[in-house]
Amino acid sequence: QVQLQESGPGLVKPSETLSLTCVVSGGSISNYYWYWIRQSPEKGLEWIGFVLYGGGTNYNASLKSRVTMSVDTSKSQLSLKVNSVTAADTAVYYCVRGRSNHFYGMDVWGQGSPVIVSS
Amino acid sequence: DIQLTQSPSFLSASIGERVTIRCRASQDINSYLAWYQQKSGKAPQLLMYGASTLQSGVPSRFSGSGSGREYTLTISSLQPEDFATYYCQQVNSYPLTFGGGTKVEIK
Repeated sequence: QVQLQESGPGLVKPSETLSLTCVVSGGSISNYYWYWIRQSPEKGLEWIGFVLYGGGTNYNASLKSRVTMSVDTSKSQLSLKVNSVTAADTAVYYCVRGRSNHFYGMDVWGQGSPVIVSS
Repeated sequence: DIQLTQSPSFLSASIGERVTIRCRASQDINSYLAWYQQKSGKAPQLLMYGASTLQSGVPSRFSGSGSGREYTLTISSLQPEDFATYYCQQVNSYPLTFGGGTKVEIK
């Protein structure tokens, strides 16, 4: 049973960089889409983007200039960086798996990593 | 961006009742629609994809239908464990977007 475990700082100061990692256990990192989704009371569920096991990415245009996603297949680890954060980036951040086509939805979710942006 | 409008946003229902949740897209999404269930304090869980295909392990009391811009999620007989918030998601085009959610509570 594949499991995803996000980890991060919890609290980030405005204008700094938010960095999260996600460890994939119990399954292969290959041949899947790896999404980052965030959820806040203000914006609801928001798709940040995805990274493929081969390193290809696609980001939400609303965040594209500030987001970087990467994958380390040797460590079965994903990473998300969001720079120049503001209070609007306060949210629970989820690492999520999707199968080989978006059509099949997002079938495995991490437990979520809450991030507060505040000085 | 494709907007997804769910209705109702809140629903109060009794155990055993039939429940229908609607999701309307701002343009045709070709049945590239998924439904998720989220319980309080937990991550969303995939219920259905392709508008009507049940994810493995999801009870058969859940069903989905629709095409074009209009989609529905139906729970044929509401059970205590079904009280949660439900979200639709379109995966037809980028950016992938979610509906605002429908909270199902006990009457």
